[in-house]
Amino acid sequence: QKEVEQNSGPLSVPEGAIASLNCTYSDRVSQSFFWYRQYSGKSPELIMSIYSNGDKEDGRFTAQLNKASQYVSLLIRDSQPSDSATYLCAVNKEGSGNTGKLIFGQGTTLQVKP
Amino acid sequence: DGGITQSPKYLFRKEGQNVTLSCEQNLNHDAMYWYRQDPGQGLRLIYYSQIVNDFQKGDIAEGYSVSREKKESFPLTVTSAQKNPTAFYLCASSISGLGTQYFGPGTRLTVL
Repeated sequence: QKEVEQNSGPLSVPEGAIASLNCTYSDRVSQSFFWYRQYSGKSPELIMSIYSNGDKEDGRFTAQLNKASQYVSLLIRDSQPSDSATYLCAVNKEGSGNTGKLIFGQGTTLQVKP
Repeated sequence: DGGITQSPKYLFRKEGQNVTLSCEQNLNHDAMYWYRQDPGQGLRLIYYSQIVNDFQKGDIAEGYSVSREKKESFPLTVTSAQKNPTAFYLCASSISGLGTQYFGPGTRLTVL
């Protein structure tokens, strides 16, 4: 089992719809969770970080964390064609000796169709 | 402007050559990281450094070397011992070992 798992997609949604991206992780000691967006040929850029159970909202983006189920998700409301990209889920394990080591999923490709 | 710079953007290497990828940051971040990304894959950690003159191996350090002589700089050398070096290399930094990581623009290395 991979430490961080994402469905590679592609996930296709129409413009204006809600896109739901999911990520599961295997290590219960994981404490910090991040969503990065990566356009083709570019480097990842941070969208959201979340540390405690529940929802965290920032504009059109909402991150949801459920530590009991070892599940973190990203919702994108009012999806735009410019949201078409690969979304990477990353997990930082406190148990890794405060190294800051991030474990990345393989990413989910989102396609927003006009 | 504050940020992370990587150079060159594209790099071509012949078999048997060592090449060095540059990473510089002016964010006053303590921690710096090198990742490798292969097509359709997530990022894998090569090396990381939390303070000057100290660094640790990540998950795929074989065939790579680094140095951290200055806080702002964390160059990565891809040696001839790395058998499959063609990939997208990403440098990142964070305020501390537990801080959010921010990425540079990347270097795309191709072996000819």
